[in-house]
Amino acid sequence: QLQLQESGPGLVKPSETLSLICTVSGDSISSSSYYWGWIRQPPGKGLEWIGSMYYSGTTYYNPSLKSRVTMSVDTSKNQFSLKLSSVTAADTAVYYCAAPGRDFGAPMDVWGKGTTVTVSS
Amino acid sequence: DIQMTQSPSSLSASVGDRVTITCRTSQNIDSYLNWYQQKPGKAPKLLIYVASNLQTGVPSRFSGRGSGTDFTLTISNLQPEDFATYYCQQSYSSLYTFGQGTKLEIK
Repeated sequence: QLQLQESGPGLVKPSETLSLICTVSGDSISSSSYYWGWIRQPPGKGLEWIGSMYYSGTTYYNPSLKSRVTMSVDTSKNQFSLKLSSVTAADTAVYYCAAPGRDFGAPMDVWGKGTTVTVSS
Repeated sequence: DIQMTQSPSSLSASVGDRVTITCRTSQNIDSYLNWYQQKPGKAPKLLIYVASNLQTGVPSRFSGRGSGTDFTLTISNLQPEDFATYYCQQSYSSLYTFGQGTKLEIK
């Protein structure tokens, strides 16, 4: 059964780069069955999709974040990562990794538990 | 981007009630609309996918309908564990978008 676990620093300074990792277990990150994605949720607010990628490198980013987001895959570690540059307090949120199915229109049926990131000096 | 309009933003109901949440999209998304339930401090959980398909393990009191631009999530015979926040999400575009959420509270 596919499982995801987020990890990374809980505190990031303004203007720096937020870096998170999602470790995949129960299947290979090179599986043809999934995309790999990130979603965030600021305190007391709704869900915001950040981006998705396929292990081969195809990426899709939220247009509002695209200039600051980079996603990548490390097949040797069965992990994928998120980098968000030039962070501000508005980037404070719980960050979730998720696995949308690769079939057209597939939902996100597997989620990590989430990791809280605070942007503060 | 495909814009999502979810209503109401909050809803009070009693155990045993039937409630309906609506999600409208800014363009035709066929049936590629999913519903998630989120409880405080937890990750969202998929309830319904592609408008009307119940995810494995989800009680049959949850149902979804719609196509095109208008969709509904109905919960019949509300149970105490159903009080949570619900989100719609479109997967028609590779640029996913979520609705604003509906917080379902106990009356």
